[in-house]
Amino acid sequence: DIQMTQSPSTLSASVGDRVTITCRASQNISNWLAWYQQRPGKAPKLLMYKASSLESGVPSRFSGSGSGTEFTLTISSLQPDDFATYYCHQYNNDAYTFGQGTRLEIK
Amino acid sequence: QVQLLESGPGLVKPSETLSLTCTVSGGSISSYYWSWIRQPAGKGPEWIGRMYSSGDTNYNPFLKSRVTMSLDTAKNQFSLKLKSVTAADTAVYYCARTYWGSFDIWGQGTVVTVSS
Repeated sequence: DIQMTQSPSTLSASVGDRVTITCRASQNISNWLAWYQQRPGKAPKLLMYKASSLESGVPSRFSGSGSGTEFTLTISSLQPDDFATYYCHQYNNDAYTFGQGTRLEIK
Repeated sequence: QVQLLESGPGLVKPSETLSLTCTVSGGSISSYYWSWIRQPAGKGPEWIGRMYSSGDTNYNPFLKSRVTMSLDTAKNQFSLKLKSVTAADTAVYYCARTYWGSFDIWGQGTVVTVSS
């Protein structure tokens, strides 16, 4: 199976900061990558698909980039609502896998 | 808009079969893939499997021997059966619409505990 490794595991930041989360795939997944945001007790919410496409309704401060094995999710100016856990997810083949998550906390 | 709702027992005994149903409202189950995903407490999500409205399925290789998914287009529902459960199967179980591989609409999740 394709392993997805996120870094960092925890990120401390302040409102207004620009932050970047990285996701690495154990093999080439082209751009078949999605990013999700999950708040405690809630289902994950799709933010980005095909690595850099913004899901409808998601604020434009979120952006994604990358292809092959290395990907990033960037939040340009953190808002209070953005403090949550973020997961990457690859769907290159018929065995989907997720990263272990990055918890974004208030500094 | 399309909404998904999981239902089923919250407690299952070890070695028995976990059975869940996802009801789709606000849209048709046809012409989409539908997935089950689970998330143990404090861990990342794990994809269990997906089913197309035609009945075609793909399962997580690590769970494939224990998983069966089915679909009822008349009721706009799809279901999950996971047999021979152990405590390691305790998790929040989600159903989700799968669009070009990503999960764009999720249910609220249902907690399933495996315990005697």
